[in-house]
Amino acid sequence: AQSVTQLDSQVPVFEEAPVELRCNYSSSVSVYLFWYVQYPNQGLQLLLKYLSGSTLVESINGFEAEFNKSQTSFHLRKPSVHISDTAEYFCAVSKSQGGSEKLVFGKGTKLTVNP
Amino acid sequence: KAGVTQTPRYLIKTRGQQVTLSCSPISGHRSVSWYQQTPGQGLQFLFEYFSETQRNKGNFPGRFSGRQFSNSRSEMNVSTLELGDSALYLCASSISGERYEQYFGPGTRLTVT
Repeated sequence: AQSVTQLDSQVPVFEEAPVELRCNYSSSVSVYLFWYVQYPNQGLQLLLKYLSGSTLVESINGFEAEFNKSQTSFHLRKPSVHISDTAEYFCAVSKSQGGSEKLVFGKGTKLTVNP
Repeated sequence: KAGVTQTPRYLIKTRGQQVTLSCSPISGHRSVSWYQQTPGQGLQFLFEYFSETQRNKGNFPGRFSGRQFSNSRSEMNVSTLELGDSALYLCASSISGERYEQYFGPGTRLTVT
């Protein structure tokens, strides 16, 4: 079975400051890794994913995440945050084989960007 | 291209009743998954359907059931509602295959009183 741990339930930062949201996973099989974002009263939106290849993946709005197999981590970072980045962020894993696309989510990290 | 739609968006039911939620995936998507989101338990996988067949099922009681139709639309049903079933129910669709990109709908907010 897979499990995901998001170490921080809430992260407050000031606008234009850097941020890192931490994610660790546990799995006995190889996995794909994802970060989703949820704005208030909305569904989840895929932010970025790691399937294979380069361990550093980037999103179109400045976020990046690095897959570290030895530390079983997939931390999300952004060098300079905006007010509009205020949302809840979820890390998730999915088995890379077997056909199912079931996602196992962490508990989420609420990012609050203050002016 | 229209996104994933879920109906109804909000629902209030009484304990003991049953409820049916609907999900229309993005056109061309054949895989539909359902998740329950609560403040205490977070996001939990309910079930996944592909080409009208249940491909995977989470650890929920038999009161929770689902199905998928030939046009890929999906429904989930919860019978004998309990207060603890109050949650946001999210549906996600994907093409299925190598891209592993699930697109989520806005959810149905179910309140059980």
